Amino acid sequence: AQRVTQPEKLLSVFKGAPVELKCNYSYSGSPELFWYVQYSRQRLQLLLRHISRESIKGFTADLNKGETSFHLKKPFAQEEDSAMYYCALEGNTPLVFGKGTRLSVIA
Amino acid sequence: NAGVTQTPKFQVLKTGQSMTLQCAQDMNHNSMYWYRQDPGMGLRLIYYSASEGTTDKGEVPNGYNVSRLNKREFSLRLESAAPSQTSVYFCASSETSQVYGYTFGSGTRLTVV
Repeated sequence: AQRVTQPEKLLSVFKGAPVELKCNYSYSGSPELFWYVQYSRQRLQLLLRHISRESIKGFTADLNKGETSFHLKKPFAQEEDSAMYYCALEGNTPLVFGKGTRLSVIA
Repeated sequence: NAGVTQTPKFQVLKTGQSMTLQCAQDMNHNSMYWYRQDPGMGLRLIYYSASEGTTDKGEVPNGYNVSRLNKREFSLRLESAAPSQTSVYFCASSETSQVYGYTFGSGTRLTVV
């Protein structure tokens, strides 16, 4: 079975502080992992894919197969980063989402 | 490019009423999906269609039916609405390959009273 765990419902950080949103997964095969973001009153949109190893809006995420983790990181948080963040996994079924972490960046 | 379009955006139903949520995509994607989003629960898959002519159950299919009308359109029907179906419903589409992720619609906020 595929499972995604985001242990924090809410994460509050000050502007300019580092951010780490945690994501752990459970899947016996080789997963495809993603981070999606939902800004206030907007639709869900893709932020990062592990396969592309890219940096988007200053965010990066590294797949650690040993720890089965895919944590999202940004060195300096901005107010516009405040949003709901979802980690998602695709294995042998469509995307399975974690319950999400609400990031609040305080000015 | 409209991407994924959902109608209606808002709906209030009485318990026992039926309705159909519409979804259309203009990206020539093969796969389409219906998710529901509930506070503290994240997004849960209701049904999906890997290609035109096929549909499969997701994690929470009870109380719903779907129709893949053609490659563009994938509808979700509630035959007899229940208060437990109060939720925000998202439609999404994707290529068969996951390289580009899913494209989501703007959602339908449904309240069943």
